Amino acid sequence: EDQVTQSPEALRLQEGESSSLNCSYTVSGLRGLFWYRQDPGKGPEFLFTLYSAGEEKEKERLKATLTKKESFLHITAPKPEDSATYLCAAAPPGFQKLVFGTGTRLLVSP
Amino acid sequence: DSGVTQTPKHLITATGQRVTLRCSPRSGDLSVYWYQQSLDQGLQFLIQYYNGEERAKGNILERFSAQQFPDLHSELNLSSLELGDSALYFCASSGGERGGREETQYFGPGTRLLVL
Repeated sequence: EDQVTQSPEALRLQEGESSSLNCSYTVSGLRGLFWYRQDPGKGPEFLFTLYSAGEEKEKERLKATLTKKESFLHITAPKPEDSATYLCAAAPPGFQKLVFGTGTRLLVSP
Repeated sequence: DSGVTQTPKHLITATGQRVTLRCSPRSGDLSVYWYQQSLDQGLQFLIQYYNGEERAKGNILERFSAQQFPDLHSELNLSSLELGDSALYFCASSGGERGGREETQYFGPGTRLLVL
């Protein structure tokens, strides 16, 4: 069964303290790995798509990387406005659904 | 703003009732997806429509049904509601059924359903 696991469940950082979020997936024939940001009560906001192992993408303080078994979301010098839940999702072959992990709740304190 | 709209934003109803959630995809997108997000679970895929046709089904209960209309908006119908159906329901859209690569899904703001 296709599965996505994110760790840690929650992460508390001081402003400027860099860290990484992990997303492990067991999806045969992965068609894409997606990262979203979700604020409380809002819809997921698209951040990145990664398609193949070794691929990296960056946006401001965020950088996403992909290996054959996992993806990392690196947060460099975070600010309080980066506080949110970060969701990882995998697209298996066959049809277009996304398999989501349960997310990492990030809190950045000033 | 993703360009995907959902109405209503909030819905409070009683057990046994039926409700309809509405979604308008981004301009030009042909695919619409419905997801359920409850507190103890992550986002769960329910169903996908492409240009009016059902394309994929996930963990959708028989009490739930959906359709996509010629103008591409979609409705999710939930009937015989139970307490456990209380959740956030999200609609997402993407540009096509199958591109050369997996297409990004853009999510709406969601409908919060509370069943009392």
